[in-house]
Amino acid sequence: DAGVIQSPRHEVTEMGQEVTLRCKPISGHDYLFWYRQTMMRGLELLIYFNNNVPIDDSGMPEDRFSAKMPNASFSTLKIQPSEPRDSAVYFCASSFGGLGADTQYFGPGTRLTVL
Amino acid sequence: AQSVAQPEDQVNVAEGNPLTVKCTYSVSGNPYLFWYVQYPNRGLQFLLKYITGDNLVKGSYGFEAEFNKSQTSFHLKKPSALVSDSALYFCAVRDLGSGNTGKLIFGQGTTLQVKP
Repeated sequence: DAGVIQSPRHEVTEMGQEVTLRCKPISGHDYLFWYRQTMMRGLELLIYFNNNVPIDDSGMPEDRFSAKMPNASFSTLKIQPSEPRDSAVYFCASSFGGLGADTQYFGPGTRLTVL
Repeated sequence: AQSVAQPEDQVNVAEGNPLTVKCTYSVSGNPYLFWYVQYPNRGLQFLLKYITGDNLVKGSYGFEAEFNKSQTSFHLKKPSALVSDSALYFCAVRDLGSGNTGKLIFGQGTTLQVKP
């Protein structure tokens, strides 16, 4: 298996632009998590899905952030409009429900820079 | 509420020496505990976990962790450190309040620096 795939790996944009981050979870996994990592705040859980349904979005910082999972093999995290303080590394992770639900597998991350 | 703490921002050790990265937790009930490692410019990688059973858990790359219920600790250890072990290490606990969802609460991370 190729593992969790994220694209793009790097994104540089200007303040006010829309940014879309993409994630393909491991095939067969039914949980998908979006995290944000910064030096100041560490690793933060933004939102997670179970069977394509958002379960907990309490970590989403503002209405500018939105996430979707239209099917089991694809999810997006969108920021509109973007701001410099959104600069961070965004990780997607997936896991399989049941006994192995706890072990999350992370993608390589998208490094976002908002100028 | 569940929480996990990593009291050291950075741990320095010489190559070949034993290493310990500390983690303490606070949960109601039986904890599910994890260690992840993050190498530069990479995502987090699962190292090991404790669910139940033997208090000494063995994981990837020669790492192990000891679950100590009385001290509410889950320290990561390795008998002989390698320079390639230098990375950022995260301790995590399963959020029991979220049911069986796999949601984890991560510590702030500890940077391990192994010097030749």
